Amino acid sequence: GENVEQHPSTLSVQEGDSAVIKCTYSDSASNYFPWYKQELGKRPQLIIDIRSNVGEKKDQRIAVTLNKTAKHFSLHITETQPEDSAVYFCAASKNSGGYQKVTFGIGTKLQVIP
Amino acid sequence: NAGVTQTPKFRILKIGQSMTLQCTQDMNHNYMYWYRQDPGMGLKLIYYSVGAGITDKGEVPNGYNVSRSTTEDFPLRLELAAPSQTSVYFCASRGGYNSPLHFGNGTRLTVT
Repeated sequence: GENVEQHPSTLSVQEGDSAVIKCTYSDSASNYFPWYKQELGKRPQLIIDIRSNVGEKKDQRIAVTLNKTAKHFSLHITETQPEDSAVYFCAASKNSGGYQKVTFGIGTKLQVIP
Repeated sequence: NAGVTQTPKFRILKIGQSMTLQCTQDMNHNYMYWYRQDPGMGLKLIYYSVGAGITDKGEVPNGYNVSRSTTEDFPLRLELAAPSQTSVYFCASRGGYNSPLHFGNGTRLTVT
């Protein structure tokens, strides 16, 4: 089955610096890669996603890159702010017999220090 | 739209008790999922459904059961609760392929 590895597990950055979270996946059939942000005690919410026919996608301070050959994708947050502090999950998704299987990474706890 | 609604928000069960976690969505999504989240362990899939009347097991189905009699509702049943089922449970839905999951607010369950 699919395996998604996520690094680092924790990340501390100074406010204004950039943060990068990396994920690798094992199944080359995966074709959709969402990122979710989960604030403490809250539900995971989508912040950005990328499909396998695209190499990079940007939304204001957030960007995601995908390297299909190497089977890895990364989340980049620029000009970090205290409200970016949360746990971030990557996921890899593929179609499997009429069902879309989603495998999550273990999560990265990001702390932005004011 | 309310999105995905879960009840209850919190529950404490004694070992051996049973309960049903409720989940309903008003987005007319065919796909619905139940995940459990343990500290530092990410999200593990318990059961999923691709439409009314169709359910299947995920990664960690033991000790749980589901039903999907309508598009809107996807309840999760715990029979004979065990301490290992102490967790936060999230219900989610999605509209189609390559679309994001919409999560409910979660149910924090403690079994003592």
